[in-house]
Amino acid sequence: GDSVTQMEGPVTLSEEAFLTINCTYTATGYPSLFWYVQYPGEGLQLLLKATKADDKGSNKGFEATYRKETTSFHLEKGSVQVSDSAVYFCALSRIRIGLIFGKGTKLSVKP
Amino acid sequence: GAVVSQHPSWVICKSGTSVKIECRSLDFQATTMFWYRQFPKQSLMLMATSNEGSKATYEQGVEKDKFLINHASLTLSTLTVTSAHPEDSSFYICSARGLQGSNTEAFFGQGTRLTVV
Repeated sequence: GDSVTQMEGPVTLSEEAFLTINCTYTATGYPSLFWYVQYPGEGLQLLLKATKADDKGSNKGFEATYRKETTSFHLEKGSVQVSDSAVYFCALSRIRIGLIFGKGTKLSVKP
Repeated sequence: GAVVSQHPSWVICKSGTSVKIECRSLDFQATTMFWYRQFPKQSLMLMATSNEGSKATYEQGVEKDKFLINHASLTLSTLTVTSAHPEDSSFYICSARGLQGSNTEAFFGQGTRLTVV
C-alpha cells in the first residue's frame, strides 16, 4: 500500500543553519505530496504542496521538489530561525483517500 | 486558508462513558471528512473517511462500533467514542476536504485531547 517515510528526528540546528528533512514515498500512480507543520500546542498547518512531478512547492522560505524518479519530496530551507521549531510531517494524497502521513520530524532551532 | 473547527479541544471522561467530538467546516462545504488519531511521538493514523450522507469507510483495525462517525451535513461530522477505556486516550484530529476535487488540500481541526480515567 501507499506509504511515506521521512527521516527520524529530532533534528537540532543552530539559527541560520541549512535544513534538509528527507521524505520518500511509495505509491501507485501520481499522488499529490504535502508538507505539514505542527507548532507546539497548535494544530496541523499546510506548509507547501506539489501536485505533479517536477513541481516545486515553496512557502516561508521552505522548498520541496516532487521527484518522481527518486520518489522523494525533501524539505529544505536555507536559513532556519528559532520560530521554525516544530514537527514537520510529509504526506501524500490519493483520489478519495485521506492523507497518508510520515512519522514526523521534530526540529529544534537554537539561537 | 479555510477554517475547520473541532470541539472540544480537550475532554476527560470516565471509563465506560461515551464522548462525542465535533468537526465543522466554517467557510466551505466539506464533501469528505477524515478522522485521525495521533499517539504521543507518533504520526497521524487515518481512522476513517466519511462522505456526506453516506457511511464512513474505516481503516483496517479500527472498530466501527466503537468509533461512530456521522457526516450528516456538508459542514459537520462527529466522532463518538463509545464505552471509552483508558487505551482510547489519544489525540483525535479531523480534517475536511472541499468540493474542488480529490487531490486538493485538506484543512485540519485543532485536535481533541481525550483522556479516559
